[in-house]
Amino acid sequence: GAVVSQHPSWVICKSGTSVKIECRSLDFQATTMFWYRQFPKQSLMLMATSNEGSKATYEQGVEKDKFLINHASLTLSTLTVTSAHPEDSSFYICSASEQGISQGTFGSGTRLTVV
Amino acid sequence: KQEVTQIPAALSVPEGENLVLNCSFTDSAIYNLQWFRQDPGKGLTSLLLIQSSQREQTSGRLNASLDKSSGRSTLYIAASQPGDSATYLCAVTRISGYSTLTFGKGTMLLVSP
Repeated sequence: GAVVSQHPSWVICKSGTSVKIECRSLDFQATTMFWYRQFPKQSLMLMATSNEGSKATYEQGVEKDKFLINHASLTLSTLTVTSAHPEDSSFYICSASEQGISQGTFGSGTRLTVV
Repeated sequence: KQEVTQIPAALSVPEGENLVLNCSFTDSAIYNLQWFRQDPGKGLTSLLLIQSSQREQTSGRLNASLDKSSGRSTLYIAASQPGDSATYLCAVTRISGYSTLTFGKGTMLLVSP
């Protein structure tokens, strides 16, 4: 079955620094990747959708300059949280979808804590 | 805007009980509905996916039903086990949507031995 690897699984960083999260599709070509954020006891909220080789489409209220998304290859997408603040502390999950397959496969998530 | 609500928010049952988790959504124009399991600090595991044209799906001790017209779905877990303890998430895909999901907040289930 389709496997998506997300790294790191957890990270602690200082305020003001940047953190990069990777999402890789291991056995399929992910033409579309999705990034979600989940605050404690809240729903997963879609942050952005990225198609390989194109600029990401951000959901309303998500700052594109703060959450940089790169999808330069069919197997890798990265989310960089720039100038992180404690309020960015959350659980970030990616989902990767193969062209023509409607449902994505989720990564294992990244717990980000900004101190 | 699609909204997904899950009831109850938390549920604690003794081992062996049958239980029902509820999910409702405001916009019935969905492509499909999916139930996920999430263990603490982990990603999502897809349990069951029901296409909009289907009424139910079954996998082992799990049975999910869908009533699209009323905007409701239920997840039935038979003979619950401690290993079933997790958060269960319901998510709908908007019609013609390409994998973008709208999630509920989940039901946190604890099955005690």
